[in-house]
Amino acid sequence: GAVVSQHPSWVICKSGTSVKIECRSLDFQATTMFWYRQFPKQSLMLMATSNEGSKATYEQGVEKDKFLINHASLTLSTLTVTSAHPEDSSFYICSARDRGRGSTGELFFGEGSRLTVL
Amino acid sequence: AQSVTQLDSQVPVFEEAPVELRCNYSSSVSVYLFWYVQYPNQGLQLLLKYLSGSTLVESINGFEAEFNKSQTSFHLRKPSVHISDTAEYFCAVSEPGGGNKLTFGTGTQLKVEL
Repeated sequence: GAVVSQHPSWVICKSGTSVKIECRSLDFQATTMFWYRQFPKQSLMLMATSNEGSKATYEQGVEKDKFLINHASLTLSTLTVTSAHPEDSSFYICSARDRGRGSTGELFFGEGSRLTVL
Repeated sequence: AQSVTQLDSQVPVFEEAPVELRCNYSSSVSVYLFWYVQYPNQGLQLLLKYLSGSTLVESINGFEAEFNKSQTSFHLRKPSVHISDTAEYFCAVSEPGGGNKLTFGTGTQLKVEL
């Protein structure tokens, strides 16, 4: 149980285009999902907190108009990188909190999505 | 504010040798502590966690970590490593009631060699 799936796992796009990454909780309901960005050989940087049915909360320095987050249902959150540029190339990872497990602090992570912008 | 320090960026070790990956944290309140493992081009998998109770926690694949409040540490240990343990290990902390917001350390690359 507690599986989180991301799609696509790999994506290559041209500069200036937009890319959407999906994060789904397959067997639980997630009121809260988190989006991270990971640079090579570095730690995860929290980008934003996505709450079902409300606006995402972005961390300082993250452009909300650049990284659009939608959490329309209890099992799906999407991250759209708009007008992507090569510097947006990175590994994007989502995680989700199982609302049925209370506030244990545990999060379940997706497999990650590697974005390469040419 | 919380922070997590993993002093060792890389730890090379021979197969069947013991290993310790260090993690120290700072927080003004009580914390939950986690170790996650990341294999190449994959997301993170929970290895073990400390929420409350016994300060020694164990994973199903032989890792253990001990919460030491006085030293604000949560070091990860394994008495005998295997090649398949080669991966990146992240220590993380969150605050009870903090909305599951995790703060990660910079990670330690464990490389097990024959």
